Amino acid sequence: AQSVTQPDIHITVSEGASLELRCNYSYGATPYLFWYVQSPGQGLQLLLKYFSGDTLVQGIKGFEAEFKRSQSSFNLRKPSVHWSDAAEYFCAVTRSQGNLIFGKGTKLSVKP
Amino acid sequence: DTGVSQDPRHKITKRGQNVTFRCDPISEHNRLYWYRQTLGQGPEFLTYFQNEAQLEKSRLLSDRFSAERPKGSFSTLEIQRTEQGDSAMYLCASSGPGLFANEQFFGPGTRLTVL
Repeated sequence: AQSVTQPDIHITVSEGASLELRCNYSYGATPYLFWYVQSPGQGLQLLLKYFSGDTLVQGIKGFEAEFKRSQSSFNLRKPSVHWSDAAEYFCAVTRSQGNLIFGKGTKLSVKP
Repeated sequence: DTGVSQDPRHKITKRGQNVTFRCDPISEHNRLYWYRQTLGQGPEFLTYFQNEAQLEKSRLLSDRFSAERPKGSFSTLEIQRTEQGDSAMYLCASSGPGLFANEQFFGPGTRLTVL
């Protein structure tokens, strides 16, 4: 069955520290991978996506993610976290033009 | 491009009542998706349309749920005889043709509370 696992429910980092959010997926075909961010009471904003090609992808707000096929992972990183990054982050997978399958999300808190 | 809009943003209803939500996708986006998100969970797929055709429905979409996209533009999601378990955020997303067909843009959601 297709699934996405985000092992960390809640992460707290200090402002200025680096961040890595983990995502593992189970998918039979070549996946399209996404990271979305959701602020409280808001919809989802696309941070970045991987379809093919270079396995290190850059997104908005200084985020990047690396696709590792051998580990079935697509981890999200940011070198220096800002207080405004506090939100919930969702990893998602899909086939071409299909519906998204989301993980349960990781809530990020940022300490001043 | 005004983005995906949803109406209402919040709905409180009593158990057993019917509710209807509306989603207006980004203009010229031919695909429209509905998802449901409960507290502490990621969004779960409900159904999607390509133009006016409803192409896929999740097993989550019980007989009490119906969705339409009559002219291939806006869509409505109706829940009949609401139950407390229907309380959730209902999210709509759309995607366009061509290069960005695999990017779904989400609306702000409609939060439903069933008392």
